[in-house]
Amino acid sequence: EDQVTQSPEALRLQEGESSSLNCSYTVSGLRGLFWYRQDPGKGPEFLFTLYSAGEEKEKERLKATLTKKESFLHITAPKPEDSATYLCAVQAIGTASKLTFGTGTRLQVTL
Amino acid sequence: EADIYQTPRYLVIGTGKKITLECSQTMGHDKMYWYQQDPGMELHLIHYSYGVNSTEKGDLSSESTVSRIRTEHFPLTLESARPSHTSQYLCASSESGGGFYGYTFGSGTRLTVV
Repeated sequence: EDQVTQSPEALRLQEGESSSLNCSYTVSGLRGLFWYRQDPGKGPEFLFTLYSAGEEKEKERLKATLTKKESFLHITAPKPEDSATYLCAVQAIGTASKLTFGTGTRLQVTL
Repeated sequence: EADIYQTPRYLVIGTGKKITLECSQTMGHDKMYWYQQDPGMELHLIHYSYGVNSTEKGDLSSESTVSRIRTEHFPLTLESARPSHTSQYLCASSESGGGFYGYTFGSGTRLTVV
């Protein structure tokens, strides 16, 4: 059974204080790993897709990396507008387009 | 600007009522999904469709039903709502073909059954 575990559950940072969110996964064969951002009361918003170990993607203050067992979402010099829940999901080979999600990391960035 | 629309955004309804949650997308995606999300919990797939007249149950057992008569429309129906159905329901869609670039999600419907 595919599993996704995210840590920490919650993270509070001061503006400018860089940190990383972790996503550990167990999957029979990884087709892709996805990061989403979810604001309160809204649906998740797509951030990145990673397909193979060693791959990295960047978008503004966010950088996602992938190994064979986990992915990290690095947040550099965060701003209050980066406050949100960050979700990780995996797609296994042979499961068509179905995604398995983690419970997310709630990030709060304060001034 | 949203390309996938869910209505209503919020719904409070009494036990035993029949309800339909609407989901429409304008991207021409063949694949559509319904997820259920409780506060602090992961998204659970309850229904999916790979095209017109194709529907399947997801990993989480649900008393709801879905239909896919048109590509752009994927409504979810509860014949008799119960308090245990209180949750957030998220609709999503994705492209077909050789690539898979993740889902586009709607804003969700927060359902409260009293």
